[in-house]
Amino acid sequence: QAQLQESGPGLVRPSETLSLTCSLSGGSVSSRSYFWSWIRQPPGKGLEWIGDIFYSGTTYYSPSLKSRVSISIDTPKNQFSLKLSAVTAADTAVYFCARRVGGGWYYFDYWGQGTLVTVSS
Amino acid sequence: QSALTQPPSASGSPGQSVTISCTGTSSDVGTYDFVSWYQQHPGKAPKLIIHDVTKRPSGVPDRFSGSKSGNTASLTVSGLQAEDEADYHCSSYAGSSNIVFGGGTKLTVL
Repeated sequence: QAQLQESGPGLVRPSETLSLTCSLSGGSVSSRSYFWSWIRQPPGKGLEWIGDIFYSGTTYYSPSLKSRVSISIDTPKNQFSLKLSAVTAADTAVYFCARRVGGGWYYFDYWGQGTLVTVSS
Repeated sequence: QSALTQPPSASGSPGQSVTISCTGTSSDVGTYDFVSWYQQHPGKAPKLIIHDVTKRPSGVPDRFSGSKSGNTASLTVSGLQAEDEADYHCSSYAGSSNIVFGGGTKLTVL
């Protein structure tokens, strides 16, 4: 079964760019059956979908974050990555990577454990 | 402010049933049968328990069930057990490749 693991800095300065990578085992990011997603959860709050990427490089982003987000995929390394620019304290959250079932479905069946990113000077 | 509205808390005694609501609009829950529910224990990743309004993934107990009426989806947990104490999050497709979540509901087993 798929296993996802987030990695990246736990502290980012305000106005800088947050960068995270998700490594997949037990599957391939080249699969045409799934999208690869980023979701975040501010402390004590609900979940927020950030965006998805397909093996082809096609991306979909949350309208509220679209101007600051970039998701990329590295098929040889079996990884996908998130960049969020111009961060503020409001971007402090646990960031999860997840697998979304493709083919016109909109649910996440496997999740990473999450990584806390704090935005602070 | 989350796109979907959930009650902050819900509770029930062991063996009882509890229902958690998830209210959206005609642009998301009301139009699409792509509502899913996730269970999240403290410090853990969310776990998918319901997708496409009513479908349970393999391994999820049939005590968990989902439904939808108009702009409101619901998750019912029957025969409450201590292990069901967790946060529950709903999500819905909102068109134009957008996915929205609720603010989460903390379920307490009394």
